[in-house]
Amino acid sequence: DAKTTQPPSMDCAEGRAANLPCNHSTISGNEYVYWYRQIHSQGPQYIIHGLKNNETNEMASLIITEDRKSSTLILPHATLRDTAVYYCIVDGQNFVFGPGTRLSVLP
Amino acid sequence: EPEVTQTPSHQVTQMGQEVILRCVPISNHLYFYWYRQILGQKVEFLVSFYNNEISEKSEIFDDQFSVERPDGSNFTLKIRSTKLEDSAMYFCASSSSGALSPLHFGNGTRLTVT
Repeated sequence: DAKTTQPPSMDCAEGRAANLPCNHSTISGNEYVYWYRQIHSQGPQYIIHGLKNNETNEMASLIITEDRKSSTLILPHATLRDTAVYYCIVDGQNFVFGPGTRLSVLP
Repeated sequence: EPEVTQTPSHQVTQMGQEVILRCVPISNHLYFYWYRQILGQKVEFLVSFYNNEISEKSEIFDDQFSVERPDGSNFTLKIRSTKLEDSAMYFCASSSSGALSPLHFGNGTRLTVT
């Protein structure tokens, strides 16, 4: 089973920041936090990952709490094309996908 | 940017037939994976493969399933005798360093068993 808990769905207005939370209270010290998204029925797309420091790339920012028990994925200026299911994954070996958060970006 | 490619994009087969799904991982990657997603459900791990052998497999990956890397570029998933419940999207993925690096997924093969 997935080691993470995410809200099943969220809405966000186009152009605003989308903040997607994830709880991973049983994370181990050497496990990374990964975020993926799946647009419609395409293959999951890697977004970002981190261990304990906050990370930023061209797609998003990842904020990990100091105790590493939760994290937030931030899409700074959501567009309609960001509508997707977002998966937070914590796994030491194979990547186990939970149900994720269905983000709807609204015009 | 290099990508994982999967063929065919859609495969229709009759129950009981053998099917082979093909994947070309990113060329310098060493870890290979198969996942499946039944329509409307979550992405499920099937198997991981490294150094020419299976590293881990899930309960779904029973004796009807096998994987092979027949040459230096292809990675295949074979289902020996398909069942109706095998109908799903099958995603191949690869990574350079296993769990320490991101998985890169292909766009999947939609398998329909009739």
